[in-house]
Amino acid sequence: EPEVTQTPSHQVTQMGQEVILRCVPISNHLYFYWYRQILGQKVEFLVSFYNNEISEKSEIFDDQFSVERPDGSNFTLKIRSTKLEDSAMYFCASGTGNNQPQHFGDGTRLSIL
Amino acid sequence: SQQGEEDPQALSIQEGENATMNCSYKTSINNLQWYRQNSGRGLVHLILIRSNEREKHSGRLRVTLDTSKKSSSLLITASRAADTASYFCATYRNTGGFKTIFGAGTRLFVKA
Repeated sequence: EPEVTQTPSHQVTQMGQEVILRCVPISNHLYFYWYRQILGQKVEFLVSFYNNEISEKSEIFDDQFSVERPDGSNFTLKIRSTKLEDSAMYFCASGTGNNQPQHFGDGTRLSIL
Repeated sequence: SQQGEEDPQALSIQEGENATMNCSYKTSINNLQWYRQNSGRGLVHLILIRSNEREKHSGRLRVTLDTSKKSSSLLITASRAADTASYFCATYRNTGGFKTIFGAGTRLFVKA
């Protein structure tokens, strides 16, 4: 069964540095999402992406964050000038439609030191 | 309170028993989805119920939706130790853009 894959599985970065989290969605999916989950807390919506543009973003997704689909397969989340509170699991998801189930990757654990 | 809140927060049952988890939400929705998350893993989609549906079944899962009460329930029948996980409801709204909001989850522990 096709899967959403995320790399790296764990990223450790110094505060203030930039990180890029990578995702390969399922190949025939057109809707893409990023979520984050701080340890022990709920999954929080960051952004949805369709047709090469952001469809909706949450209050968390400020100017520090950006997303890109640089080619036909990858979907990336960039966090500029990371802060300690950015430490979390970041999940990528994809789906076939905006009213359809989302398929999640196993996440990237981001640790900011 | 938050959109998509589950109760109970934690549930411990014996294998073979049924587990019921509830979810309440605040705003209108297009659909409601239930997901499972095993420790340290991503979320696995279980079932989606649309706003015009009242009940759906998938294997040992039964989901109900009451839009007048803005609530949903997930029933797992004949539970197994492998069902031990966190279960989340997620509400989807199409407001021009599209956004899925997750609740805080119910941690289910099934004792063998």
